Amino acid sequence: GENVEQHPSTLSVQEGDSAVIKCTYSDSASNYFPWYKQELGKRPQLIIDIRSNVGEKKDQRIAVTLNKTAKHFSLHITETQPEDSAVYFCAATQGGSEKLVFGKGTKLTVNP
Amino acid sequence: DAEITQSPRHKITETGRQVTLACHQTWNHNNMFWYRQDLGHGLRLIHYSYGVQDTNKGEVSDGYSVSRSNTEDLPLTLESAASSQTSVYFCASSGGVGELFFGEGSRLTVL
Repeated sequence: GENVEQHPSTLSVQEGDSAVIKCTYSDSASNYFPWYKQELGKRPQLIIDIRSNVGEKKDQRIAVTLNKTAKHFSLHITETQPEDSAVYFCAATQGGSEKLVFGKGTKLTVNP
Repeated sequence: DAEITQSPRHKITETGRQVTLACHQTWNHNNMFWYRQDLGHGLRLIHYSYGVQDTNKGEVSDGYSVSRSNTEDLPLTLESAASSQTSVYFCASSGGVGELFFGEGSRLTVL
């Protein structure tokens, strides 16, 4: 089955710096790659996603890149703010199915 | 507005008891999922359903069961609760390959 590895597990940055979180997946048939943000005590919420026919997608300060050949995708957050502090999860569909396999998460701390 | 709700939000039970966590969605989504979240393990899939009368095992299904009698509900049952099942449980739904909408979570403690 699909295996999703996520790094780093914790990341601490200064306000205004950029943050990058990387994920690799094992199933070459995976075709959808979302990123979720989970604030403390809250539910995970989608922040950005990318499909396998696209290499990069941006939404204001966040962007996701996908390298299908290398089977990895990354989340980039620019001009970080304290409210970006949360746990971020990457995920990938298992093969051509509609179920998601999640990475173990990255705890991002943005220091003022 | 469409939503997905879980109940109870918090439950404490004893080892060996049967527990049922409810999940109800008004998105009219065919796909529903149950995940458990534990520190260091992220979100792991327990069971999922692609429609009425359809249920499938996820990666950590032992000790859990689900049933899907209508589109809106996917209750998760722990037949005989164990301390290892102490966790936060999230129900989620989707309309296909796309955004997964999560419920608020149910925190279960098994003593």
